Amino acid sequence: AAGVIQSPRHLIKEKRETATLKCYPIPRHDTVYWYQQGPGQDPQFLISFYEKMQSDKGSIPDRFSAQQFSDYHSELNMSSLELGDSALYFCASSSRMVGTYEQYFGPGTRLTVT
Amino acid sequence: DQQVKQNSPSLSVQEGRISILNCDYTNSMFDYFLWYKKYPAEGPTFLISISSIKDKNEDGRFTVFLNKSAKHLSLHIVPSQPGDSAVYFCAVGSQGNLIFGKGTKLSVKP
Repeated sequence: AAGVIQSPRHLIKEKRETATLKCYPIPRHDTVYWYQQGPGQDPQFLISFYEKMQSDKGSIPDRFSAQQFSDYHSELNMSSLELGDSALYFCASSSRMVGTYEQYFGPGTRLTVT
Repeated sequence: DQQVKQNSPSLSVQEGRISILNCDYTNSMFDYFLWYKKYPAEGPTFLISISSIKDKNEDGRFTVFLNKSAKHLSLHIVPSQPGDSAVYFCAVGSQGNLIFGKGTKLSVKP
């Protein structure tokens, strides 16, 4: 079965640079979530989109923005990168239409800021 | 303050025995509860879930129990297998986004 696709899998950036992470949800899933997992930490919710509209916002810094496109893929844009932004970034998708609440996660993008 | 707590950072179990992973939450408004399994450098893999209207859900070797009055859920794996060795996260939610516990590292020894 198709899973959530994230690209790139690994990304190395310098401080103050920008980064764009992409997420392609499972086909027919209408909701996308972004999470950040620091070393030894649990995943922390950043932001979510339902039907291309932002539906919920968590601990996302103002330097980050995200959107969901007409084909339901989502992009997380990160500017003025800081060392502390180094983390695993997960995207998850779910389908509200199906009426369940399970979120299915992608493999993650490992961002390293030097 | 942590809304979801997994108080055991690690658990070691013999193959064939039962593994019991525990999770406590603070907010009674949460209405769905999930368990995820995670290997290093991979995304969390959904295992099993339960909604607040139930107190038990079973799927093969995995059973999740929910005690709403105690705000406690647990995951039972029986029989445990070496391939079950991973970090297990409980996650709770009410309107979409999930709040994760810090995880319990399960080691199943042959």
